[in-house]
Amino acid sequence: GAVVSQHPSWVICKSGTSVKIECRSLDFQATTMFWYRQFPKQSLMLMATSNEGSKATYEQGVEKDKFLINHASLTLSTLTVTSAHPEDSSFYICSAGEGQGVDEQYFGPGTRLTVT
Amino acid sequence: GDSVTQMEGPVTLSEEAFLTINCTYTATGYPSLFWYVQYPGEGLQLLLKATKADDKGSNKGFEATYRKETTSFHLEKGSVQVSDSAVYFCALLYSSASKIIFGSGTRLSIRP
Repeated sequence: GAVVSQHPSWVICKSGTSVKIECRSLDFQATTMFWYRQFPKQSLMLMATSNEGSKATYEQGVEKDKFLINHASLTLSTLTVTSAHPEDSSFYICSAGEGQGVDEQYFGPGTRLTVT
Repeated sequence: GDSVTQMEGPVTLSEEAFLTINCTYTATGYPSLFWYVQYPGEGLQLLLKATKADDKGSNKGFEATYRKETTSFHLEKGSVQVSDSAVYFCALLYSSASKIIFGSGTRLSIRP
């Protein structure tokens, strides 16, 4: 149980275009979902926390107009990278927690974004 | 603020060697502690966890004990295999905040 999927697993896009990444909880309802960014050989950096039906909470330094997060249902959250640039190339990972006061998060396999 | 400190890598060992990856934390309360593993090109997988002091988490031959007195959660394995080569992340989580704080990760390479 507790499986989280991401789609696509990798994507290449041209500079200036937008890319949408989906995160789904397959066998549980995810009240809270998290989006992380990971640079090569570095740790995960939390970008934002989203709760179903409400606006996402962004970490300091993360541009909310550039990284649009939507958590429209208890099983789906999306991250849209708008007007992507090469510096946005990274590994994006989502995680999901079940219920309130989660004591564990379940991670998706990640999406590798390359902007050319 | 709360933080997690891991030993820097990379760590290179021969197969069947004993492994220790040190992890210490700074926390104002009583978080749950985790070890996650990331294999090349993949996302994070939960390896083991402990939710209170003196708890021992274990999985796949790996163990870690929640030591409140030394604020540590060191990862150990008695005999490593080539397939254990990966990046290991120590982390803490407060259930009330639902926000995970990760260490910087330790890359482990096992030689045949």
